[in-house]
Amino acid sequence: DAGVIQSPRHEVTEMGQEVTLRCKPISGHNSLFWYRQTMMRGLELLIYFNNNVPIDDSGMPEDRFSAKMPNASFSTLKIQPSEPRDSAVYFCASSLGSTNEQFFGPGTRLTVL
Amino acid sequence: QKEVEQNSGPLSVPEGAIASLNCTYSDRGSQSFFWYRQYSGKSPELIMFIYSNGDKEDGRFTAQLNKASQYVSLLIRDSQPSDSATYLCAVQSSSASKIIFGSGTRLSIRP
Repeated sequence: DAGVIQSPRHEVTEMGQEVTLRCKPISGHNSLFWYRQTMMRGLELLIYFNNNVPIDDSGMPEDRFSAKMPNASFSTLKIQPSEPRDSAVYFCASSLGSTNEQFFGPGTRLTVL
Repeated sequence: QKEVEQNSGPLSVPEGAIASLNCTYSDRGSQSFFWYRQYSGKSPELIMFIYSNGDKEDGRFTAQLNKASQYVSLLIRDSQPSDSATYLCAVQSSSASKIIFGSGTRLSIRP
């Protein structure tokens, strides 16, 4: 099993640019989560999907952030326009059922200059 | 009050000793509790889960749950330098189908 796959692993961009992060969950898992981690705020849940449907997006910081899950094997998190305060590590995780063990991807380290 | 609270540390423990990590939670209806370990620069990985009051042992790790006190802990026996990491407590929310993570405790095992 390949585990959760995220791309890119590192992204450096300039303020105002659009950033798209990608995630492929573990095959068969029906829940997908997007997290952001910083030293100051720890691990924050941004949004999660059950069966490709967004269930809770209360953690999405503002309208600049959007997430989609067009099918069971792919999800994107988009930031437009990006700002320096968006710099963080973004993790995608998947699970079988939203309250069961979550398997995390390797993360995307985003730096916005 | 945060939903899941942990002491951020760092907690420094000598090699071979018992490391004790603590977590309190606010949701009385929570039923599932998890401990994740995160090495620096890596992603979190599950090391223990517990659903029932009492102790659950897995090798050098013991998870302890006390629902009446809303308290969950992780004991690491015979601590090794390789145990140095951040430990995240996670609690299932009873009102929403999701897991809430604490901010983590940084553990350092000194040789």
